[in-house]
Amino acid sequence: DGGITQSPKYLFRKEGQNVTLSCEQNLNHDAMYWYRQDPGQGLRLIYYSQIVNDFQKGDIAEGYSVSREKKESFPLTVTSAQKNPTAFYLCASSRPGQNEQFFGPGTRLTVL
Amino acid sequence: DQQVKQNSPSLSVQEGRISILNCDYTNSMFDYFLWYKKYPAEGPTFLISISSIKDKNEDGRFTVFLNKSAKHLSLHIVPSQPGDSAVYFCAAWEFNYGQNFVFGPGTRLSVLP
Repeated sequence: DGGITQSPKYLFRKEGQNVTLSCEQNLNHDAMYWYRQDPGQGLRLIYYSQIVNDFQKGDIAEGYSVSREKKESFPLTVTSAQKNPTAFYLCASSRPGQNEQFFGPGTRLTVL
Repeated sequence: DQQVKQNSPSLSVQEGRISILNCDYTNSMFDYFLWYKKYPAEGPTFLISISSIKDKNEDGRFTVFLNKSAKHLSLHIVPSQPGDSAVYFCAAWEFNYGQNFVFGPGTRLSVLP
């Protein structure tokens, strides 16, 4: 079945450690996105990539990094520079010209 | 400053009645609007959308209305079912902004049996 997978579903890290969240899609979508959800704030865009080997900062990119070496994969690294990393992280993808984004199940990151 | 607002954080409705979720936006350049439904600990799923050139779009129990002059859209669910209980996000898209969406903060709908 086609879809977007994010792993793991729950992730715990100690403060000061970098952590990488996985996002894989087999929908053959060119564009991929990372969002962060905090209570009462909806979804905020962290990074997006319209094509392989290219990505752009979203509204809240500070403290995060991404790579897009393959069309299917768009991993997000939460670095120690991110001041408030505990959140629910959502990955999404879409086809060019398509107005709908498809979301993965999300990863809840808790930094202790 | 939030470009997409959902001023009601929560809404409770009796099963079988109509649920009306509201969304306001400030950017008149938005071309397309979408509603997503989200259950706890899951990713949002697409529900229904509407282009800025239309004022209504219907899909089964779900209807979205767009009032461009008021920069307001609403999602109507009739009849409401307990399985509709979720958080609903309104999202807006502007062609010149690439393929990026602006999401509202969400409204939690509870449908009571």
